[in-house]
Amino acid sequence: ETGVTQSPTHLIKTRGQQVTLRCSSQSGHNTVSWYQQALGQGPQFIFQYYREEENGRGNFPPRFSGLQFPNYSSELNVNALELDDSALYLCASSLGGSPYEQYFGPGTRLTVT
Amino acid sequence: GIQVEQSPPDLILQEGANSTLRCNFSDSVNNLQWFHQNPWGQLINLFYIPSGTKQNGRLSATTVATERYSLLYISSSQTTDSGVYFCAVPFLGGYNKLIFGAGTRLAVHP
Repeated sequence: ETGVTQSPTHLIKTRGQQVTLRCSSQSGHNTVSWYQQALGQGPQFIFQYYREEENGRGNFPPRFSGLQFPNYSSELNVNALELDDSALYLCASSLGGSPYEQYFGPGTRLTVT
Repeated sequence: GIQVEQSPPDLILQEGANSTLRCNFSDSVNNLQWFHQNPWGQLINLFYIPSGTKQNGRLSATTVATERYSLLYISSSQTTDSGVYFCAVPFLGGYNKLIFGAGTRLAVHP
């Protein structure tokens, strides 16, 4: 059974640029959630995708957007990067909505300069 | 919304010691997860425990849903137990959003 994978591992971008992060869900999982974790804090929910539709969103601006593909993999896109977007971005997959257990990938560490 | 509080925020142990980490939550939940975040940032699932007690090796967890708290016990701690421990509960709004506490930072010294 393949776990959740994410790419790239690390990324350095300049303020104002755009970035795309990728996530492959665990085998058999149809739901992907994205979280942002700033240094020293717990992860914060960005949004969730279920069967290629966004079905829940946290307090993040529209420049954070995403996609889910038919194979349930997902992308997180962030436009007009700001310095405060520097964080660890975590992807989680699950069999469905609450209360299914979520499994996390290793994360992508984004640095915005 | 639901609030999650973890205590203590920091914990320093000598190898071999036991410890108890606490997670309080402000509303009824149908799910609770404990995670260990290693130094590389990976969140590792420890327990999925909406109620009752579970054990996995040196770790065990108990959730008392009616009193809105969960406890994580670590026995005979090892240096590899170091890292941050998070508890997380779901937002009951129809989608699987986890709300995390601020974490307990554990350092185990040899």
